[in-house]
Amino acid sequence: ELKVEQNPLFLSMQEGKNYTIYCNYSTTSDRLYWYRQDPGKSLESLFVLLSNGAVKQEGRLMASLDTKARLSTLHITAAVHDLSATYFCAGSSNTGNQFYFGTGTSLTVIP
Amino acid sequence: DVKVTQSSRYLVKRTGEKVFLECVQDMDHENMFWYRQDPGLGLRLIYFSYDVKMKEKGDIPEGYSVSREKKERFSLILESASTNQTSMYLCASSPRPGSPLHFGNGTRLTVT
Repeated sequence: ELKVEQNPLFLSMQEGKNYTIYCNYSTTSDRLYWYRQDPGKSLESLFVLLSNGAVKQEGRLMASLDTKARLSTLHITAAVHDLSATYFCAGSSNTGNQFYFGTGTSLTVIP
Repeated sequence: DVKVTQSSRYLVKRTGEKVFLECVQDMDHENMFWYRQDPGLGLRLIYFSYDVKMKEKGDIPEGYSVSREKKERFSLILESASTNQTSMYLCASSPRPGSPLHFGNGTRLTVT
């Protein structure tokens, strides 16, 4: 079974600062996913990373994947309050039918 | 846009009751999933289904069953609700293996 660990679990950062959320996984995963969850709402897909070295960017968020290190990162650039949410990473089984989620990183951006 | 609809947003049930959580998706997706979300534990897979009448156990199937009689509908059944099943339940669907999941808004179930 794929184990996915995120850190930090909680992150409080000032507006305008940069920070990185880390996602380590235990065994080979063909794909790595990042989701966002706003308080009281459901999860929304942000990125799917398909191969080693993959990098995807959307606004102030950039995700990357290093399959050799079994590590994905979500980098936040010049944080703004609207980015406050919980971010989850997830890997998938070889069949693609099962997804294994990390425990999430609760991000609070302080003005 | 894909819409995954869960029938109840909040539900309060008594211990021992049989509980049905319903989920409907409108995009003809093959795969459907039930997760529960608990603080500090992230999302844990209960059951998933890759076709009508097909189901597979996830990581924590004990105390739950599922039904998928039609492609668009995936039901989660708590045969005899217990207090440790108090949780947020999330339904999700995807068009094919490996595609990102589309989640419903969740059902917060309290068992007293």
